[in-house]
Amino acid sequence: KQEVTQIPAALSVPEGENLVLNCSFTDSAIYNLQWFRQDPGKGLTSLLLIQSSQREQTSGRLNASLDKSSGRSTLYIAASQPGDSATYLCGSGGSNYKLTFGKGTLLTVNP
Amino acid sequence: NAGVTQTPKFQVLKTGQSMTLQCAQDMNHNSMYWYRQDPGMGLRLIYYSASEGTTDKGEVPNGYNVSRLNKREFSLRLESAAPSQTSVYFCASSGLASGELFFGEGSRLTVL
Repeated sequence: KQEVTQIPAALSVPEGENLVLNCSFTDSAIYNLQWFRQDPGKGLTSLLLIQSSQREQTSGRLNASLDKSSGRSTLYIAASQPGDSATYLCGSGGSNYKLTFGKGTLLTVNP
Repeated sequence: NAGVTQTPKFQVLKTGQSMTLQCAQDMNHNSMYWYRQDPGMGLRLIYYSASEGTTDKGEVPNGYNVSRLNKREFSLRLESAAPSQTSVYFCASSGLASGELFFGEGSRLTVL
């Protein structure tokens, strides 16, 4: 059974700082890995999707990497802003693209 | 640009009552999913439908039934609600090309 762990559970940084969120998974036979953002009381917004054959994906200030052999993915956020404050979730994709989720990292960016 | 639409957004039930959560997607996706999100437990898969006409159990299916009515719609039914089913329920869909999941805004259910 796939298990996904996200570290740290919570992170507080000053505005402008670059930061890294970590996601690890136990079964390296994944189809893809997806990063989401969730604001309080809202649904999940897809940020980046990395296919199993890819090593990284970039969107604006966000960069996600995937290392299947070590069972790790990272989400790098450059020049953080208060609007980046949210919970960040990673999900590892199995057969039929079913995602197994970590419990998330609560990010607070202080002005 | 609706994406994935869930109804109702909020519902309060008494123990033993039944209800159906509705989900519809307008992205022509083949696969649809129901997850529940609980504090400290994260998101867990209840049921999924890989294609129209098929449904399969996920990690926590007990107490739930689903119907894939057509390609667009996937409903989740609670036949006899229990307080343990108090949760936020999310519907999602994905296409075959990339497998990227898109989520609805969630349905917040309280069972008293």
